[in-house]
Amino acid sequence: GENVEQHPSTLSVQEGDSAVIKCTYSDSASNYFPWYKQELGKGPQLIIDIRSNVGEKKDQRIAVTLNKTAKHFSLHITETQPEDSAVYFCAATGFQKLVFGTGTRLLVSP
Amino acid sequence: GAVVSQHPSRVICKSGTSVKIECRSLDFQATTMFWYRQFPKQSLMLMATSNEGSKATYEQGVEKDKFLINHASLTLSTLTVTSAHPEDSSFYICSARGGWDGGYGYTFGSGTRLTVV
Repeated sequence: GENVEQHPSTLSVQEGDSAVIKCTYSDSASNYFPWYKQELGKGPQLIIDIRSNVGEKKDQRIAVTLNKTAKHFSLHITETQPEDSAVYFCAATGFQKLVFGTGTRLLVSP
Repeated sequence: GAVVSQHPSRVICKSGTSVKIECRSLDFQATTMFWYRQFPKQSLMLMATSNEGSKATYEQGVEKDKFLINHASLTLSTLTVTSAHPEDSSFYICSARGGWDGGYGYTFGSGTRLTVV
């Protein structure tokens, strides 16, 4: 089955800096890679996703890149703000069950 | 956009009693619903997958008789924790997938914090 690894587990940045979170997956059949933001006591919220036929996708300050050959994908957040502080999860699926990474706790200091 | 409503948000129950958690897709038909469990500072662990009108498929290690899942309609799935014990205390989250986005949309509920005392 699919296995998703995520790094780093914690990431501290200063406001305005960029943050990068990386994930690797094992199943070459996976074709959908979403990223979720989870705030304390809440459910995960989709922030961006990418499908396997696309190499990069951007939405304002957030971007995701996918390297199918290497089986890794990354989340890039530019101009970070304190409200970006949360736990971020990557996930992968071949259109069945989502398999989540272990999560990255992002702390953005003012 | 797609919205999934999960209730209750918090519940405290006595050991040995049962608790039901509801998950509703408000503006789309959820062909598949997923139930997750999340311990503090950990990732989401899939418990089971349910398709409308079918029996749920449970992940390895998840007790079917303890975590009863019903997906009787395209907009409602329920998780019942039977004979709850303190070790069942956790954050339970549902997710629904429908055909509104070509089938790729996984929308999550807001979660239920279960505390068994």
